[in-house]
Amino acid sequence: EPEVTQTPSHQVTQMGQEVILRCVPISNHLYFYWYRQILGQKVEFLVSFYNNEISEKSEIFDDQFSVERPDGSNFTLKIRSTKLEDSAMYFCASSPPKGRTEAFFGQGTRLTVV
Amino acid sequence: SQQGEEDPQALSIQEGENATMNCSYKTSINNLQWYRQNSGRGLVHLILIRSNEREKHSGRLRVTLDTSKKSSSLLITASRAADTASYFCATDTSSGGYQKVTFGTGTKLQVIP
Repeated sequence: EPEVTQTPSHQVTQMGQEVILRCVPISNHLYFYWYRQILGQKVEFLVSFYNNEISEKSEIFDDQFSVERPDGSNFTLKIRSTKLEDSAMYFCASSPPKGRTEAFFGQGTRLTVV
Repeated sequence: SQQGEEDPQALSIQEGENATMNCSYKTSINNLQWYRQNSGRGLVHLILIRSNEREKHSGRLRVTLDTSKKSSSLLITASRAADTASYFCATDTSSGGYQKVTFGTGTKLQVIP
């Protein structure tokens, strides 16, 4: 069964460093998303991406964050200068072309900022 | 209350019993989804119910949606120890073709063998 894959599964980075989280969505999906979950808290929407541009972003997704689809298969989330409070599980998701349907989530990347 | 609040926050039952979790939300939705998360793991999609549907079944899962009360329930019948996980409702409120899902706070279910 096709699945969304995320790498790495765990990333430790120093405060102030840039980090790139990578995702390979399901191949025929056209809508891509990033969510995050701070330990013990709710899963929060960060951004949705379609047709090579951001469809919507939340207040959390400030200038420190950016997304990119550098080629036909990868979808990345970059955090330019990480802060301690960026420590969280980051989930990538994708949904099929017809949209407004369920999203398929990856297993997540646990980001620890020290 | 926030968009997507589940109750109870925690539920402990014996194997074989049924588990019912409720979700309330505030704004109009396109659909409501239930997800499961094992501790520290990814989110697994369980079931999606559209705003014009009232009930949906999938295996041992039964979901109801009452848009007039802005509430949904997830029933897991004949629970198993492997059902132990956190369960989240998620409401889709996007105006475009993409999905924008707001997750609830979750119900932590423990099924005791």
